[in-house]
Amino acid sequence: EAGVTQFPSHSVIEKGQTVTLRCDPISGHDNLYWYRRVMGKEIKFLLHFVKESKQDESGMPNNRFLAERTGGTYSTLKVQPAELEDSGVYFCASSQVFGLAGADTQYFGPGTRLTVL
Amino acid sequence: AQSVTQLDSQVPVFEEAPVELRCNYSSSVSVYLFWYVQYPNQGLQLLLKYLSGSTLVKGINGFEAEFNKSQTSFHLRKPSVHISDTAEYFCAVRSYSGAGSYQLTFGKGTKLSVIP
Repeated sequence: EAGVTQFPSHSVIEKGQTVTLRCDPISGHDNLYWYRRVMGKEIKFLLHFVKESKQDESGMPNNRFLAERTGGTYSTLKVQPAELEDSGVYFCASSQVFGLAGADTQYFGPGTRLTVL
Repeated sequence: AQSVTQLDSQVPVFEEAPVELRCNYSSSVSVYLFWYVQYPNQGLQLLLKYLSGSTLVKGINGFEAEFNKSQTSFHLRKPSVHISDTAEYFCAVRSYSGAGSYQLTFGKGTKLSVIP
């Protein structure tokens, strides 16, 4: 079974440009999460999809970030326009069902390292 | 809101020595706890998780963790480390966002360096 995949693995862009990150979850996983780790800090939650619906986007930093999950399969996270503070590693995770009220295991992808110059 | 504290940012240890990585969480009525590991250039991999039941949880690669409710701790241990255990380790707690969603709240991570 293929794991969570993310593309690209690295992205270097200039301030003001647009970048789109992609995540392909494990097949059959309805829950898809985005997290971000800024240098030297903890991994922080950005948002959660259940199928194609945004269940919780309370962690999105501002309206320069737009996440989509058309058809309930893969997801994209677009940053437009990118700022210096957006640099970090963006992780995607997926899980099957909530099960015991949140006890489901989240499987993580390798992350996309974004550098904004 | 839940929070997680990993007391050590870096832990160097000699090969075949025991290791303990410390994790404390903020108190809650019910708590689900996780340890993830990130090997160089790879994603996060689940080591083990505590949901309920026995307070001693065994995971992959010989790791185990003990849930201590009175001390709000979930320390990770391994009796004898190997070079291949060099990685960054993250403690996480399930958090309820209030928007019908459960998410993971992470500590800052502990970098384990195993010295030959």
